[in-house]
Amino acid sequence: GESVGLHLPTLSVQEGDNSIINCAYSNSASDYFIWYKQESGKGPQFIIDIRSNMDKRQGQRVTVLLNKTVKHLSLQIAATQPGDSAVYFCAEDTGRRALTFGSGTRLQVQP
Amino acid sequence: NAGVTQTPKFRVLKTGQSMTLLCAQDMNHEYMYWYRQDPGMGLRLIHYSVGEGTTAKGEVPDGYNVSRLKKQNFLLGLESAAPSQTSVYFCASSYSTADTQYFGPGTRLTVL
Repeated sequence: GESVGLHLPTLSVQEGDNSIINCAYSNSASDYFIWYKQESGKGPQFIIDIRSNMDKRQGQRVTVLLNKTVKHLSLQIAATQPGDSAVYFCAEDTGRRALTFGSGTRLQVQP
Repeated sequence: NAGVTQTPKFRVLKTGQSMTLLCAQDMNHEYMYWYRQDPGMGLRLIHYSVGEGTTAKGEVPDGYNVSRLKKQNFLLGLESAAPSQTSVYFCASSYSTADTQYFGPGTRLTVL
């Protein structure tokens, strides 16, 4: 079936570097995408979202890029900090009244 | 605003026991969801509700029941717990489907 997936299960970066977390989706009907951050022992926390009529959206230190041609979504974190260490999930709205989540990428920030 | 709250935070059950997990939101959201998260995996949708008095099955509904008697509350029930239901359960709510879902802190359930 169609699903959301991630290329890298674990990403390790140095503090201060930029991080890029990738996500591939296969449902061409999806029109809304969200990135969530989940810290250990906590619920997922909204980071940023993007709709399919956009290619890029920026927040505070984060940018989401959407490439509909290759069905690819990425989350860029500028000047990564230790507090950014967490598991990051992408999710898509396939129009079936609920989000479909990927399996997650763990971001480890080395001091 | 408290956002989305869940009770209890932790629970240990024996196989065959029943329990109810409570989710409450104070954001006047129409949509509410119950997910489970197993180690190293993403979230899987159990049941959801598009409004007071309505419920629908998600991806993994077997062994669970839900009720939405009040708009602000969404209850998840396990009638006869099984070890396979050991997981972390998250509740979420949103204004609509194509909208941000806000999550509660989770309930860690262990079934022995």
